[in-house]
Parts: sequence; structure tokens; C-alpha cells
Amino acid sequence: DSGVTQTPKHLITATGQRVTLRCSPRSGDLSVYWYQQSLDQGLQFLIQYYNGEERAKGNILERFSAQQFPDLHSELNLSSLELGDSALYFCASSADLGAGNTIYFGEGSWLTVV
Amino acid sequence: ELKVEQNPLFLSMQEGKNYTIYCNYSTTSDRLYWYRQDPGKSLESLFVLLSNGAVKQEGRLMASLDTKARLSTLHITAAVHDLSATYFCAVDNGNQFYFGTGTSLTVIP
Repeated sequence: DSGVTQTPKHLITATGQRVTLRCSPRSGDLSVYWYQQSLDQGLQFLIQYYNGEERAKGNILERFSAQQFPDLHSELNLSSLELGDSALYFCASSADLGAGNTIYFGEGSWLTVV
Repeated sequence: ELKVEQNPLFLSMQEGKNYTIYCNYSTTSDRLYWYRQDPGKSLESLFVLLSNGAVKQEGRLMASLDTKARLSTLHITAAVHDLSATYFCAVDNGNQFYFGTGTSLTVIP
């Protein structure tokens, strides 16, 4: 158990809908990362937050947004869903980068868009 | 943008054999990480390498880092079926983690 908690574990929704994925980082970790993993795209970095502020942005679509709250949990919002958004979405957390702190991954949220 | 390349992408090897997975990256960094992922599961941290010449070993896996060559290797000794998984390397530049494409390893009895 990495200590990173993600909910829901599985989600099936229709095209055009909106979903919210939730992540609680490990105790004490200030950084939260979101990744998307699909068979054809591999592991794609979406976005990183550090202590409530956006720190780095990757290949995140405009239809997707995220935030990190004062209690450090984070949410990833996916809207106007398309079939191609079906993937495994990981949240990860770490203490600050630059000091050799590895990032720890949650179990992921499986999203199926039908 | 920092690029991380792994090879091979797919590796099928017989039990008992040795093999090496390579991870090359495009910019200066002395922090490299290896992860393992079983199908449909999370990524599990295997090794953290924090300096040039660092070597870490756990069971049949040994990872090393050459920061001058911007190269890390993950060596598998006497492979067993339980090692079948996808292995990722990742580099951090102090601001962001960059993952390689992964190496899918299948160990055949």
C-alpha cells in the first residue's frame, strides 16, 4: 500500500458526460501528480500541484482540469468525455522534488466511456 | 523537453537467463528511478539512484546509473516468471518527473 488513495476505482460513463476523480496523497506529501495510462499512449503526465498551486502541466486536454485543495487532496475533472478518454488515471504524490524523493502511485481509477 | 528512452520496448526471455534493460535520458540529471507495473495495477517503486555510479540491488534485479553517459541499466539475473511485468525508468529535473515508455518483460518457462 503506497498510502495514496484514489476514488472511485472503477467508473463507467457515457460520452459527453463529466466525471471527477479524487486523490488523497500520502501523509505529509505536498506534491500531487496526475497521469493517464492507455494502451496506445502509454503513461502520460497530465498535471502537477504543489501545496495547492499548479507547478507543471503536461499533455492535459482543455476538457480536463484539476485542483489541489487546502487539505492537499486533489481532484481531476474530466468533461465532455469521449471514447478515447477511456484509460487508467493515476494519482501520485511525493515530498518535494529535487531531493531524491520518489513519487508514490495510487491504485488508479479505471474510466470507461461508452 | 527532457526525453527518456528505454530499450527494448518488449523483451521475452527464458527463465534462468540474464538480460539488461537500458534507459537513456536527454539532459543532465543525477536522479533516476525505476518502477515496476503489473498489468492493470499501480506502479511500484523499485530503485532510487541519486548519484553517478550508484548501484542498487534487490533480489534478481540490479540497477545502476552513469550520469556522464546519461544512462541507467536494469540488469536481470537468472530470470524467473514472477519478474514478468512492465518496467519504467523515470528522471526528475527538480521540477517534474519524466517517464520512459516502459519495457514489457515476459519470462517464459
